[in-house]
Amino acid sequence: GAGVSQTPSNKVTEKGKYVELRCDPISGHTALYWYRQSLGQGPEFLIYFQGTGAADDSGLPNDRFFAVRPEGSVSTLKIQRTERGDSAVYLCASSRVKTSRVNYEQYFGPGTRLTVT
Amino acid sequence: AQKVTQAQTEISVVEKEDVTLDCVYETRDTTYYLFWYKQPPSGELVFLIRRNSFDEQNEISGRYSWNFQKSTSSFNFTITASQVVDSAVYFCALTPFTNAGNNRKLIWGLGTSLAVNP
Repeated sequence: GAGVSQTPSNKVTEKGKYVELRCDPISGHTALYWYRQSLGQGPEFLIYFQGTGAADDSGLPNDRFFAVRPEGSVSTLKIQRTERGDSAVYLCASSRVKTSRVNYEQYFGPGTRLTVT
Repeated sequence: AQKVTQAQTEISVVEKEDVTLDCVYETRDTTYYLFWYKQPPSGELVFLIRRNSFDEQNEISGRYSWNFQKSTSSFNFTITASQVVDSAVYFCALTPFTNAGNNRKLIWGLGTSLAVNP
């Protein structure tokens, strides 16, 4: 089956502009995560969705960042008034979630490389 | 506090050598999961293994093996007879499993960059 897909693969924008990054998870995966990764670093957690609701948005750096998942499948990460420090690779991951006490692995998309000039 | 430490920033080996990547973790949770991911130059993170805190059996998958030792809070990864295609950044990650059980966000190490030279 298809893996996690992310669009666009690359996005170059000017400082102060608004951007939207899209994630299409693996079919049937109810959990969806956004991370961002800077060069030479591990991924940094941003937000976690269980179904349509954001179960944990504690990783969002400030109120310029917002994410939605209106139908419990595709998610969009929105960044307002972009700053040069927002430049990074934005990664989306999805996983199964069951009621049993198991943390399933997360499957990652190829990422969107955001460059703010 | 929850933390993952990968002390080796970069490792360089010659093809066919065995190499071990170290991972040490910190958590106060009694139930947790550990993961290894591979990130090749193409950039996409590839899942390698998941291990829960109640299962200390070592695991072998082809040339890959993992040694989980709760007593030392370590989850080390060994590649036997390394190949050039193994060149990548390898990440160790931790996710606690709280009673709420809802958030499985991954806590990552900084990664170890492995270069396998022909």
